[in-house]
Amino acid sequence: GENVEQHPSTLSVQEGDSAVIKCTYSDSASNYFPWYKQELGKGPQLIIDIRSNVGEKKDQRIAVTLNKTAKHFSLHITETQPEDSAVYFCAASGTFGNEKLTFGTGTRLTIIP
Amino acid sequence: DAGVIQSPRHEVTEMGQEVTLRCKPISGHNSLFWYRQTMMRGLELLIYFNNNVPIDDSGMPEDRFSAKMPNASFSTLKIQPSEPRDSAVYFCASSLDPFGRASLQTQYFGPGTRLLVL
Repeated sequence: GENVEQHPSTLSVQEGDSAVIKCTYSDSASNYFPWYKQELGKGPQLIIDIRSNVGEKKDQRIAVTLNKTAKHFSLHITETQPEDSAVYFCAASGTFGNEKLTFGTGTRLTIIP
Repeated sequence: DAGVIQSPRHEVTEMGQEVTLRCKPISGHNSLFWYRQTMMRGLELLIYFNNNVPIDDSGMPEDRFSAKMPNASFSTLKIQPSEPRDSAVYFCASSLDPFGRASLQTQYFGPGTRLLVL
């Protein structure tokens, strides 16, 4: 089955700087890669996703890049703000016959004011 | 717009007791997922339903766990008997999937049920 690795496990950045979180996946047939943000005491919420026919996607301060050859994808947050502090999860899915979301282990992002 | 609703939000029980977690998916969604989140194992999919039918229950840890979806607006996850190692946060999520490829659509998570088994 799919295996997703996520790095780093914790990340602290100064407010206004950029944050990058990286994930690798094992199943070359995977074709859907969402990113979720989880705030304390809440369920994960989708913030951005990318499908395998696209190499990059942006939504305001958030962007995701995908390298299918290397089987890795990254989340980029620019101009970070205190409200970006949360745990971020990457996930992968889409293999025919195994269409579950497999999540990474999460990155705890702390924005330092 | 009501999101995914889960109850109870917190549950404390003693080992051996039966625990029932409840979920109401977003109206109109036809796929429902049950996840378990722990520090050690992260976020794990337990089971998912499509059009009220269980599609994949390979993540259900053992026979003590069972899940049902009697109709499109309600699902339960039951643990009987409960054990301390079942302590975790249990999330329900739903999505709209017209083609049967549930995981390719956005999953909307509920707030979770925090379960503590003493």
